[in-house]
Amino acid sequence: NAGVTQTPKFQVLKTGQSMTLQCAQDMNHEYMSWYRQDPGMGLRLIHYSVGAGITDQGEVPNGYNVSRSTTEDFPLRLLSAAPSQTSVYFCASSYLGQGGTEAFFGQGTRLTVV
Amino acid sequence: AQSVAQPEDQVNVAEGNPLTVKCTYSVSGNPYLFWYVQYPNRGLQFLLKYITGDNLVKGSYGFEAEFNKSQTSFHLKKPSALVSDSALYFCAVRDPPNDYKLSFGAGTTVTVRA
Repeated sequence: NAGVTQTPKFQVLKTGQSMTLQCAQDMNHEYMSWYRQDPGMGLRLIHYSVGAGITDQGEVPNGYNVSRSTTEDFPLRLLSAAPSQTSVYFCASSYLGQGGTEAFFGQGTRLTVV
Repeated sequence: AQSVAQPEDQVNVAEGNPLTVKCTYSVSGNPYLFWYVQYPNRGLQFLLKYITGDNLVKGSYGFEAEFNKSQTSFHLKKPSALVSDSALYFCAVRDPPNDYKLSFGAGTTVTVRA
């Protein structure tokens, strides 16, 4: 079982460039989400989805776009990269059924915007 | 809106001493609560969760946590800390069915000295 797979692991962008961070899970989880981690700020939720075709904004959605066309995939798009988006990005997924299972995390993408 | 607070940025303990990492939460319903650990340059690993039932939950690596509804707390504990427990610890909350997103605290850095 691959779990949650994020690509790429590292990326350097120039200001104004766009890119897509990929996230895929093979556990048939309804819930998928993107977080960014910055020193002293914990994990801040960018966008999340409770199923295919359904997305919603988290705490810090500006500058990011998501879509959920399949249960497995939840890509995060940076529309026009800014230095403030330099961060480590994590994708996570979980079941939403009764019992509320824990979230499984990808290994992260370290993004630098210059 | 749901929220999580980890009042201590850092916790320092000697090896063999008890370890406590504090977490308080705010939700409108009955919370699902989680603890995660992050080692340097790694993703997040699940430690334990409280969904319902016994207020004392046991998890991985000898950790446990106590759910206290009246104090809205979910403190993480380990009776005897190890140097290898040194890491960044995150508390997280979900508030179903009001809100399915998973919200994290800012994290607490634990250092266990030999």
